[in-house]
Amino acid sequence: GAVVSQHPSWVICKSGTSVKIECRSLDFQATTMFWYRQFPKQSLMLMATSNEGSKATYEQGVEKDKFLINHASLTLSTLTVTSAHPEDSSFYICSARDQTGDFYEQYFGPGTRLTVT
Amino acid sequence: SQQGEEDPQALSIQEGENATMNCSYKTSINNLQWYRQNSGRGLVHLILIRSNEREKHSGRLRVTLDTSKKSSSLLITASRAADTASYFCATVVLTGANSKLTFGKGITLSVRP
Repeated sequence: GAVVSQHPSWVICKSGTSVKIECRSLDFQATTMFWYRQFPKQSLMLMATSNEGSKATYEQGVEKDKFLINHASLTLSTLTVTSAHPEDSSFYICSARDQTGDFYEQYFGPGTRLTVT
Repeated sequence: SQQGEEDPQALSIQEGENATMNCSYKTSINNLQWYRQNSGRGLVHLILIRSNEREKHSGRLRVTLDTSKKSSSLLITASRAADTASYFCATVVLTGANSKLTFGKGITLSVRP
């Protein structure tokens, strides 16, 4: 099946620094990728949708200047948490849509746990 | 906002018993999917049921969909300790040329050995 990887799987950073998370589709091309965040014992909340070669579409309440998304190629999207604060600590999960398959099928990465100290 | 609402929020059963989890949603959907998430891990896709389908099976899983009631159920038969995880339903709504996958709050299933 389609595989999506994320790197790093976990990261600890100091408050005020920026952190970049990568999401890659390993065996398929993804014109659309999605970024979710999940707080402990809660559901996944969609943060933004990124389309290759264009600006990301952010969900209401998500600061686009804080969560920078770049979908530079058909297999890579990055999420940069800028000037991170402890409240940004969360589990970030990306997913990717296989452009050759049913357009509503998404494949999820294993997630990245961010801890801001 | 969350589209799906699972019920119950937590379920504890004995190994070998069946586990039934329910999901209700609010708007018309294209399909509904169930996912499993082990603690601190990513999501595992379990099964997808389209809006024109009423029931699907996959191994020990059975999913039903009632679009008139806007509800779905996931049945895990002959549960195992390894089934202990959080389960999420997710609805897919088509928006023009795109689609949006929205998750419910999740159900925590504990299977006692």
